[in-house]
Amino acid sequence: AQSVTQLDSQVPVFEEAPVELRCNYSSSVSVYLFWYVQYPNQGLQLLLKYLSGSTLVKGINGFEAEFNKSQTSFHLRKPSVHISDTAEYFCAVAGSNTGKLIFGQGTTLQVKP
Amino acid sequence: EAQVTQNPRYLITVTGKKLTVTCSQNMNHEYMSWYRQDPGLGLRQIYYSMNVEVTDKGDVPEGYKVSRKEKRNFPLILESPSPNQTSLYFCASSPQIVDEQFFGPGTRLTVL
Repeated sequence: AQSVTQLDSQVPVFEEAPVELRCNYSSSVSVYLFWYVQYPNQGLQLLLKYLSGSTLVKGINGFEAEFNKSQTSFHLRKPSVHISDTAEYFCAVAGSNTGKLIFGQGTTLQVKP
Repeated sequence: EAQVTQNPRYLITVTGKKLTVTCSQNMNHEYMSWYRQDPGLGLRQIYYSMNVEVTDKGDVPEGYKVSRKEKRNFPLILESPSPNQTSLYFCASSPQIVDEQFFGPGTRLTVL
């Protein structure tokens, strides 16, 4: 079985500052990892995903994430955030042998001017 | 336009009154899934379907049923709704589980 933990429920940050949203997972099999963003009153949108290969994954809107197998982490980073990045961010994991997709509890990113 | 549609968008009902939330996608996706979103709990998968006539339980299937008789439709059925099923429900589809999931607009359900 897979599980995912987002270590911060809220992350306040000033505009143009860097940010890291943390995600740890557990699984007994190979995994696929995803980050989704949800803007207020909207559905979810994929930011990036890791399936295999390079551990540094680049996504949309300047976000990137690094897959660390030894630490079972998949942290999301952006070097300089904008007000428009204010949203809820979800990490998700799927096992390579299952159709289940497990989401974390979400991290609310609050970008302040 | 490629999209996932859900109906109804809002529903208030009473305990025990059977209801169905429809989900339809026009992208010929094989994988479809239902989630519920509750504050502080993120999204939790209810059921998923890898293809027509193939469905399986997610993390929170109790009290729900699904069917996948056609590729485009994946209805969610609550046979006897209870107040703890009050939630925001999302349907999603993708070509395969490794692909980006396209989410519907959500259905806000209140069970009194």
